[in-house]
Amino acid sequence: AQSVTQLGSHVSVSEGALVLLRCNYSSSVPPYLFWYVQYPNQGLQLLLKYTSAATLVKGINGFEAEFKKSETSFHLTKPSAHMSDAAEYFCAVSVGTSYGKLTFGQGTILTVHP
Amino acid sequence: KAGVTQTPRYLIKTRGQQVTLSCSPISGHRSVSWYQQTPGQGLQFLFEYFSETQRNKGNFPGRFSGRQFSNSRSEMNVSTLELGDSALYLCASSLEAGGSTDTQYFGPGTRLTVL
Repeated sequence: AQSVTQLGSHVSVSEGALVLLRCNYSSSVPPYLFWYVQYPNQGLQLLLKYTSAATLVKGINGFEAEFKKSETSFHLTKPSAHMSDAAEYFCAVSVGTSYGKLTFGQGTILTVHP
Repeated sequence: KAGVTQTPRYLIKTRGQQVTLSCSPISGHRSVSWYQQTPGQGLQFLFEYFSETQRNKGNFPGRFSGRQFSNSRSEMNVSTLELGDSALYLCASSLEAGGSTDTQYFGPGTRLTVL
């Protein structure tokens, strides 16, 4: 079975600072990895996904993530935080036989201070 | 293209009642997945439907059930509601979901409160 661990349930940064949200996964088969963002009272929006084509994945809104197999990690970064980035972020994993099942981490709430 | 729509957006029920939630996927999407989101347990997979067939199921009791219609619209039903069923129920659609690289597009969710 696969699992995801997000280190840090809350992360606080200043506007303009680097954003780093950590995600580690566990999977016995090659995983596919996703980052989603959720704004209050809304569903989830896909930021980016890793599907084995390239280890550095660029997503929307300036976010990117790097797949590191040796570290079983898929950390999300953004060079400069914006106030509008304040939201909850979820890392998720699926595998070849998942059939529609995403396994999510517990989420990280990002706060951006002016 | 219209996104995933879920109805109703908010629902209040009492213990012991049953409830039906509806999800309309993005046009052309054939796979629909359901998730439960709670503060304590986070996001948990309920089940997935493709071409009117349940292909995958999470670890939820039999009180939780679903179905999919020929137009890919899906419903989920919870019978004999318990207080712990209070949650945000999210529906997601994707083109095929047989290959797990498919992107799942989420609806806004239905907020269920059980009193």
